Amino acid sequence: SAVISQKPSRDICQRGTSLTIQCQVDSQVTMMFWYRQQPGQSLTLIATANQGSEATYESGFVIDKFPISRPNLTFSTLTVSNMSPEDSSIYLCSVMTGGALDTQYFGPGTRLTVL
Amino acid sequence: KQEVTQIPAALSVPEGENLVLNCSFTDSAIYNLQWFRQDPGKGLTSLLLIQSSQREQTSGRLNASLDKSSGRSTLYIAASQPGDSATYLCAVRPGTASKLTFGTGTRLQVTL
Repeated sequence: SAVISQKPSRDICQRGTSLTIQCQVDSQVTMMFWYRQQPGQSLTLIATANQGSEATYESGFVIDKFPISRPNLTFSTLTVSNMSPEDSSIYLCSVMTGGALDTQYFGPGTRLTVL
Repeated sequence: KQEVTQIPAALSVPEGENLVLNCSFTDSAIYNLQWFRQDPGKGLTSLLLIQSSQREQTSGRLNASLDKSSGRSTLYIAASQPGDSATYLCAVRPGTASKLTFGTGTRLQVTL
C-alpha cells in the first residue's frame, strides 16, 4: 500500500491568483496522477506526472493552466494557475505502486474554493 | 470509449440491512476493476480490487463480484452500519498501467 499526504488540505483563493498543491508519498511509486472532482461529480483525470519529464495531460487540460512537477519518485506538485470560480473543486493526488495488482491509491484531497 | 454507470445514484437503508450496489461498464475488455469509498469532502479509500480473471473478492463485510462478459460488477455490503454511509465509486482499468475510468458513484446513507 501507499500513504499519501497533500498540502494544503483546503484553501480559499481569489480569482486570478495561483495555488500550488503538494503531494508526498511514503514510498517510491511508479506512477502518479492528478485528478479533479468538481462539486457533485465523479473524478476526472487531469494528467499523469512523469518523473524527470513533462507531464502527460488529458484532453481538455493544458500545461499553462495546470503545470505539474515531479522531481523524484515520491513527490509531485500541481499548480492551478490564473484561477476562476470554475476551478473550485477537490484536487486529488493518486499513485500506483506497480506490481501485479495495479492497485491505485488516493490522497486525502485539496478542497479549493475560488471567489 | 469506456463508460461506467452506477445504479442507484443514491440509496438510504436502515441499519442492519444487506445491500447491493451496481456498476456496469460498456467495454468488457478490462484489466481490473476497483471499488472505492469516499467520505464527504475527502479522498478515496480503496476497498476491493478484482482482476479480470477473478469472479469475486471479499474483505470483511464487503464482497465484490465481477461478470466481465456482461460488463457488470456488484458490491455487496452485509449488515450495514451508519459508519458505512459514504459515496461508493467503481472504476475500471483497460490495461496494465493505464488510467482508470470512474463511475458516477452511489451515495449511501445508513440510518439508525
